[in-house]
Formats: sequence, structure tokens, C-alpha cells
Amino acid sequence: QVQLQQWGAGLLKPSETLSLTCSVYGGSFSGFYCSWIRQSPGKGLEWIGEINDSGTTNYNPSLKSRVTISLGSSKNQFSLKLRSVTAADTAVYYCARGSGSYLVYWGQGTLVTVSS
Amino acid sequence: QSVLTQPPSASGTPGQRVTISCSGSNSNIGSNNVYWYQQLPGTAPKLLIYRTNQRPSGVPDRFSGSKSGTSASLAISGLRSEDEADYYCAAWDDTLSVLFGGGTKLTVL
Repeated sequence: QVQLQQWGAGLLKPSETLSLTCSVYGGSFSGFYCSWIRQSPGKGLEWIGEINDSGTTNYNPSLKSRVTISLGSSKNQFSLKLRSVTAADTAVYYCARGSGSYLVYWGQGTLVTVSS
Repeated sequence: QSVLTQPPSASGTPGQRVTISCSGSNSNIGSNNVYWYQQLPGTAPKLLIYRTNQRPSGVPDRFSGSKSGTSASLAISGLRSEDEADYYCAAWDDTLSVLFGGGTKLTVL
């Protein structure tokens, strides 16, 4: 059974960089894309971007200037960096494995709060 | 504001059939598959429908998806109390990004 485990800092100050990592267990990263999605408190889902095992990325145009998704240092790992965060970036961040909008396996979610 | 438009709420009584709509454009729903996700409170979304009308293993056949032009629908028949959740549609857009609908909160009366 494929499982995604994610981790990273949960409290940031404005202008800092959000950094999260996700590991895929029980299944391969190869041949798939892995995505980051966020959900602001009480709001809907927002796709941030995706990466495949070759490092090819696609990003949400509205976040592209501040986002970098990269392959991790370990196999089956990938990371999210979001620069210059503001309170508007406060959200639960999810990683997921799939292709495009076909997201089968999801991480448990990480609440990231941006506050001075 | 989401590019895929869903009604914010829907409701039904147990046993009823409920339909949730998702409206997009030619660059997303009109030319790509639609996916539906169910999100129970405090949990990650769960894939409910893939490739417009396919159900993953374990999803009851009470759930069905369809598409016509630039709109898609999720139908839930034989409504049950455990179906009370938020439902999101999603589709790939030709701008090389994934779009989600704003979500529909389903209440079972």
C-alpha cells in the first residue's frame, strides 16, 4: 500500500521561506508525478505544482514566481519551497502522488501558519 | 476565485439522489478528464471518480460521474449519512496546471 509521509516547519514569520518534504513509501515514484496542494482554513483546494521522477515540473501560474518543487536527496522524496510567505499562505499543505488532477495517494497534511 | 465553478452547498435526505455540478471551459473540462474528490472533516481528500466516470476500487457504485461539453456532474444515489462531506471537482487545464472547483458541502438532512 502506497503511503506518503510529509514533514516540515509549521510556524513561519512573514517573508520567510516555507519548506516541506514528502516521502513515498510502498510504491515507486518512477513513472508518476507528485504534487503539492494546499487548503486555506475553511477554504477549498489549491494546486501548487508537480514534479516527476526526471525533475520535470509544472506550477500554478499564480504561485510560480515564489515556488520551487524539487527532487529530494533520497529516492522517492520530493520537496516544496515557497518564498516570501505572508499570512495568505497559511494553510494545510498536502503532498500527493498521481498525474495532473489524478491524485490517488495523499499525505496526512501539514498545517503551516504564517504569523509575526 | 476558482476557475471551476461548483455550488457551495447541496443537500438531500437519506435514500435520495443528489447531483453536484462543476462548470469550466474549453481549456479544462471541455478537453480533459474530470476528477472528483471527497473530503471528510479533518482528513485529506479521497479520490472518488477518475477519468470523468471511473470509480476506484472500493468506491460504491452509488457514486457516478459524467461530463457534457464544459460541464461535469457527480451523482450520488441512495444517499447515506456517511456521504456528508465536501466534494471537489478537478481537471487539467491547457495552461499546464490543475484546477480545482471551489467545493460543495453536502448535507444529509
